[in-house]
Amino acid sequence: AQRVTQPEKLLSVFKGAPVELKCNYSYSGSPELFWYVQYSRQRLQLLLRHISRESIKGFTADLNKGETSFHLKKPFAQEEDSAMYYCALDGSSNTGKLIFGQGTTLQVKP
Amino acid sequence: GAGVSQSPSNKVTEKGKDVELRCDPISGHTALYWYRQSLGQGLEFLIYFQGNSAPDKSGLPSDRFSAERTGGSVSTLTIQRTQQEDSAVYLCASSLLGYSGVTQNEQFFGPGTRLTVL
Repeated sequence: AQRVTQPEKLLSVFKGAPVELKCNYSYSGSPELFWYVQYSRQRLQLLLRHISRESIKGFTADLNKGETSFHLKKPFAQEEDSAMYYCALDGSSNTGKLIFGQGTTLQVKP
Repeated sequence: GAGVSQSPSNKVTEKGKDVELRCDPISGHTALYWYRQSLGQGLEFLIYFQGNSAPDKSGLPSDRFSAERTGGSVSTLTIQRTQQEDSAVYLCASSLLGYSGVTQNEQFFGPGTRLTVL
């Protein structure tokens, strides 16, 4: 079965500290993975996708097929990074249908 | 340009009543998705429309839930005989999927409809 697990409901760090939001997935094929973010009172929006190998707002995520993980990292957290982060899997043969994790709230304290 | 819009933004209803939630996708987007965001449950896929193909209804939690998409654009999610456990934020998203099977298409989300069943 396709599943995405985000083990932490809440991650609280101080400004300037490194951040790692964990995401593990269960999928037998070649997954396509995403991180979506929802800032307070804003819409859910795409943060980054694994195939692009991009860094957005200082965040990066590497797909580790051996560990079936797609953790989101940032070396120095900023207060404006405070938001809800969702890891998502598209294992549906190009339909774009996403399976989301339960989300992790990142709280960056001053 | 305009993003995905949803109406109403908030809906309070009594248990047992029917509700209709509307989604206007981004013009030209061929794919439309409905998700449910419940407290502590994350985002749950409900239904997916792509062009003129039959919708993927595999995520609908019960036969009280149905959705349609008229003219390949606007979609309506209907919940019949609402129950308290239906209370959630219902999100609609749209994306542009290529017929060549282009993947990694970004989904653009609406602001959601917050449904409260009393």
